Amino acid sequence: GAVVSQHPSWVICKSGTSVKIECRSLDFQATTMFWYRQFPKQSLMLMATSNEGSKATYEQGVEKDKFLINHASLTLSTLTVTSAHPEDSSFYICSALMETTEAFFGQGTRLTVV
Amino acid sequence: AQSVTQLGSHVSVSEGALVLLRCNYSSSVPPYLFWYVQYPNQGLQLLLKYTTGATLVKGINGFEAEFKKSETSFHLTKPSAHMSDAAEYFCAVMYSSASKIIFGSGTRLSIRP
Repeated sequence: GAVVSQHPSWVICKSGTSVKIECRSLDFQATTMFWYRQFPKQSLMLMATSNEGSKATYEQGVEKDKFLINHASLTLSTLTVTSAHPEDSSFYICSALMETTEAFFGQGTRLTVV
Repeated sequence: AQSVTQLGSHVSVSEGALVLLRCNYSSSVPPYLFWYVQYPNQGLQLLLKYTTGATLVKGINGFEAEFKKSETSFHLTKPSAHMSDAAEYFCAVMYSSASKIIFGSGTRLSIRP
């Protein structure tokens, strides 16, 4: 299957700093990418839908100014957690849509804010 | 509201036994349906999906699922469980092509020796 690379796989940052997570589709072009957040032993919560060349669509309750999403090319979307706080610590997963119903997931990023 | 429900947050079966993980969706229009597996600290891997056509869908690792419109269900089964099947399983729906994917709450599958 297609490969989606997410980087970094884990990151520790100090409270108040910003962290950028990259999501790349390695062997296909993805017009649409999704960003999810997963708390321990819970399901994936959709944060936003990212479309290449346009503004991301955020789900209700997700702060767009805190979670900045950029999808500047057909193979790269980035999620920046700005002014991170301990409550932002979580597992973040991206997904890239190949064709209309085939979604491939990155391996996830474990963010710990100290 | 459109949603997907997984009955049973934890299912435990003996090695070699039948695996049945339940999933129901709420929608008047049949959505696209997926089952994903997640191992600890990893992303998700697609097991199988239903879009159109045959309602019995076969996936990887011996799993299969049947779309039943009358029951709004898409239960996942495997005839004989293997120790390596122990993982978290998520049912997911997409209500129109290229739209967002919504996940169920997940079911943790444990396999007893």
